[in-house]
Amino acid sequence: DTGVSQDPRHKITKRGQNVTFRCDPISEHNRLYWYRQTLGQGPEFLTYFQNEAQLEKSRLLSDRFSAERPKGSFSTLEIQRTEQGDSAMYLCASSLGVREQFFGPGTRLTVL
Amino acid sequence: AQRVTQPEKLLSVFKGAPVELKCNYSYSGSPELFWYVQYSRQRLQLLLRHISRESIKGFTADLNKGETSFHLKKPFAQEEDSAMYYCALSQAGANSKLTFGKGITLSVRP
Repeated sequence: DTGVSQDPRHKITKRGQNVTFRCDPISEHNRLYWYRQTLGQGPEFLTYFQNEAQLEKSRLLSDRFSAERPKGSFSTLEIQRTEQGDSAMYLCASSLGVREQFFGPGTRLTVL
Repeated sequence: AQRVTQPEKLLSVFKGAPVELKCNYSYSGSPELFWYVQYSRQRLQLLLRHISRESIKGFTADLNKGETSFHLKKPFAQEEDSAMYYCALSQAGANSKLTFGKGITLSVRP
């Protein structure tokens, strides 16, 4: 296991299109987190799962955003009807309970 | 609301100079504080957390609840310390969401 992986690493899309990102956590980790990072800012929390249950969602997560972790393993983050303001780096992290969060390399989204 | 403030965007020092990266926080409950580091072309990784009270790569950070600060210090900077550093907090014992500061770029010149 080489750590948290994310796919794709880069995504360019046109405004109004839907995009979906995938995160594969470290295999034994039961918690999975999504963050968003824009230029000049630190990562901002979006949502997190414990196993398949989504336990918390940020107010940043508008109705156009949805995240799933159907079997408690990988997770997907979907953005519908993308806007230019959605352009950012989307980071995934995983942890074993309350232990250290390990981050993935991120998916960079550019909305034209 | 919880907030992390890193007042400086950039710190540039010469090799061997002392380093102090400032972090202040506001949190109504009992916080847990962290420093994360991102080296060039690498992913974000944990440097240290206050509950472990460890020194990692020569860095230390002490939680000062009176001043609500968690400054990161190193007595003698090395070129390989050049990176982006983020201070973060979460609810103690929960490690649910992390709230990050904006980060500071540390540049260590030879």
